[in-house]
Amino acid sequence: SQELEQSPQSLIVQEGKNLTINCTSSKTLYGLYWYKQKYGEGLIFLMMLQKGGEEKSHEKITAKLDEKKQQSSLHITASQPSHAGIYLCGADMDSSYKLIFGSGTRLLVRP
Amino acid sequence: NAGVTQTPKFRVLKTGQSMTLLCAQDMNHEYMYWYRQDPGMGLRLIHYSVGEGTTAKGEVPDGYNVSRLKKQNFLLGLESAAPSQTSVYFCASKPDGSSYEQYFGPGTRLTVT
Repeated sequence: SQELEQSPQSLIVQEGKNLTINCTSSKTLYGLYWYKQKYGEGLIFLMMLQKGGEEKSHEKITAKLDEKKQQSSLHITASQPSHAGIYLCGADMDSSYKLIFGSGTRLLVRP
Repeated sequence: NAGVTQTPKFRVLKTGQSMTLLCAQDMNHEYMYWYRQDPGMGLRLIHYSVGEGTTAKGEVPDGYNVSRLKKQNFLLGLESAAPSQTSVYFCASKPDGSSYEQYFGPGTRLTVT
């Protein structure tokens, strides 16, 4: 959705390197969700952020939501081949039951 | 628990044919969703349901119909398939309105020739 811009579209990194994926909205978000999709499979929930300035971590993945609740970043530390896949951000724009998704970032980690 | 399952996994249709995609969940979830995923477009919501017997339109509902006759099943129908409906279709569910994590099925890859 153009309401939610993700960057970069694709990323190739060497194993062990850090990387960041960004998700930007033109509107204030009620909730920001990060999902990972392995190639050819369904989506796996990673994290959800609701409060401005919030930061959450799971293993080597950290997600932050800015104070204005319009931009989120997903940071992977010391990337591994198992981190490869498509990362999608999804947003609750109006406190409804529906999510708007970004176009995704394809990550490849070279051993 | 099997979680969210989708049937079939793959399908090839000719233009004008009809078909129904089945989504089933065994988690007693109230909310269910149908998305389509196209290259460079992310996921777009087709239809959704907030409970048995209810359905509502999402972002891209044209050309699709849905039914939620049983709580555990959410059916997506294509009455007259078009090449523009070639896509990967994902079903998702979540427990209720206060929960935020959606659980996704493995997807159905549909090609319309």
